[in-house]
Amino acid sequence: DAGITQSPRHKVTETGTPVTLRCHQTENHRYMYWYRQDPGHGLRLIHYSYGVKDTDKGEVSDGYSVSRSKTEDFLLTLESATSSQTSVYFCAISESFIPRTSKSEQFFGPGTRLTVL
Amino acid sequence: DAKTTQPPSMDCAEGRAANLPCNHSTISGNEYVYWYRQIHSQGPQYIIHGLKNNETNEMASLIITEDRKSSTLILPHATLRDTAVYYCIVRGIGDMRFGAGTRLTVKP
Repeated sequence: DAGITQSPRHKVTETGTPVTLRCHQTENHRYMYWYRQDPGHGLRLIHYSYGVKDTDKGEVSDGYSVSRSKTEDFLLTLESATSSQTSVYFCAISESFIPRTSKSEQFFGPGTRLTVL
Repeated sequence: DAKTTQPPSMDCAEGRAANLPCNHSTISGNEYVYWYRQIHSQGPQYIIHGLKNNETNEMASLIITEDRKSSTLILPHATLRDTAVYYCIVRGIGDMRFGAGTRLTVKP
């Protein structure tokens, strides 16, 4: 299995508080991604990174920010958590972003279950 | 990226081949077909991907029709551990878009 860890694995917080989720990889992959998964919506991309300090928005980026200060860590921050951000969050990594290469597959972490009360 | 259509659920007998269909009639020439699966609440797991030729790896085979408007993922000898949600994704240069997938249940 790809070396991807997510922390915390479970978190309960209150509306309005800041929350930071961490994704850590030991594979030295260039690309890192944050997804959320909700019933009826499948997985949706929040933000992704294509290198240190290089990030871009995904499909559902409102209310989230990300940072990547070193290759191995990708942080997802909810500045002021809302109940609509209750979800399971998955981090993923890949060596390449281009589908035609054999290294474009994404490897996913175990997920973080976040509950915002 | 093109959209995909998959049946919401399928059953398969243990030891038999599981054939999971996917329609992607609006696929364009530079888009690839990817398959992932998600077992229970774990992170999705990559299975296979292809452009137009059939592909095979240690997990599965991917059969893409000549017109590329549909594909089939084949698990040759399904086991109980293959019970999962299987996602068919059509992807170009952009990000991956997961749909609802097919819930495959392998029965003894």
